[in-house]
Amino acid sequence: GAVVSQHPSWVICKSGTSVKIECRSLDFQATTMFWYRQFPKQSLMLMATSNEGSKATYEQGVEKDKFLINHASLTLSTLTVTSAHPEDSSFYICSAFRTAPYSGGYTFGSGTRLTVV
Amino acid sequence: GQSLEQPSEVTAVEGAIVQINCTYQTSGFYGLSWYQQHDGGAPTFLSYNALDGLEETGRFSSFLSRSDSYGYLLLQELQMKDSASYFCAVTTGANNLFFGTGTRLTVIP
Repeated sequence: GAVVSQHPSWVICKSGTSVKIECRSLDFQATTMFWYRQFPKQSLMLMATSNEGSKATYEQGVEKDKFLINHASLTLSTLTVTSAHPEDSSFYICSAFRTAPYSGGYTFGSGTRLTVV
Repeated sequence: GQSLEQPSEVTAVEGAIVQINCTYQTSGFYGLSWYQQHDGGAPTFLSYNALDGLEETGRFSSFLSRSDSYGYLLLQELQMKDSASYFCAVTTGANNLFFGTGTRLTVIP
């Protein structure tokens, strides 16, 4: 089945530094990937849609200059949290859209737990 | 914008049946999905409805009424391992997936 690998699974960084999270589709090509953020005991909030070879589409309220998304190939999308602050501490999850939704077409990465200290 | 509402918590007894409701207000509706998420884990796909009616997948069933903007997930023969958070999610025209508020299910012996 479709596999999405997300790395790192957890990261601790100092306030003011940048952190890069990778999302790879291992056995299929993903022209579109999605990035979500989830705070404890809350829902997954769509941050942006990452499109291979073009600019990402950000949801309202998400700072595109703070959350840099690069989708340089059909199997890799990266999310860089720039100048991280403690309020950016969260669980970040990527997903890739492979086939029609009724076949479970959205495959999720295992998530990255970011802690900013 | 998108709005999907679910009950925040549900508790049920092992072996019983539980229904988790979802009401939504969205634009560009294509279908309603259900996902399970254990603490610290990624969401896993359970079921999908594009048309009105009931879809059955083993112990899980999902129902959709597009005219009522309403759906539910039915879990039968509850097991302790079913304790998790359950999310409904809407697929829009841009293939975006928007999640509901989530329901934390606790199964008790």
